Amino acid sequence: GESVGLHLPTLSVQEGDNSIINCAYSNSASDYFIWYKQESGKGPQFIIDIRSNMDKRQGQRVTVLLNKTVKHLSLQIAATQPGDSAVYFCAENKGTYKYIFGTGTRLKVLA
Amino acid sequence: DSGVTQTPKHLITATGQRVTLRCSPRSGDLSVYWYQQSLDQGLQFLIQYYNGEERAKGNILERFSAQQFPDLHSELNLSSLELGDSALYFCASSGQGNLETQYFGPGTRLLVL
Repeated sequence: GESVGLHLPTLSVQEGDNSIINCAYSNSASDYFIWYKQESGKGPQFIIDIRSNMDKRQGQRVTVLLNKTVKHLSLQIAATQPGDSAVYFCAENKGTYKYIFGTGTRLKVLA
Repeated sequence: DSGVTQTPKHLITATGQRVTLRCSPRSGDLSVYWYQQSLDQGLQFLIQYYNGEERAKGNILERFSAQQFPDLHSELNLSSLELGDSALYFCASSGQGNLETQYFGPGTRLLVL
């Protein structure tokens, strides 16, 4: 498959370790945030979302943390697996139907 | 599988030509979004339709246009194609609210030679 964003920041993590992917968002008025996972040759896939009235939300093996004070979003993946290797994007929405996507982070899981 | 379908999967054409990309949203979704993804630009929002009407516009060139039909499928038309239009084009769909999660299709890879 093709490589999306050849110059993306890359996070390399040992299999079984926890991964933390960070995102700085741009608009303090944004009130909805999503993390997407994009595997090579595929479209972005929804992972987890969070609204601005929350600080933390947990899913299966994933946790999203929102720090509105510094406009920072993070995605934590527990017990990272080879299948987690992908590019991860955060997206923000301030209620205008228009999503703004971050540039993405490439996660590489080392066996 | 997100439930969003896009055709064709791949498209190779020449500069100056016109192409049409097609998207069918998830069952029940009224909103369709189009995005362009190139290596150096990331995901760029182009345009959104809701129940047949244009709702939001992003960085869409005048050479590009889109529409959503009564059956809610959408088409993105790209004309006078240039080499720089080569990219992945994604369609996403969502429900009625403005904070609804978007679900993406598999994309159409366009190569302009």
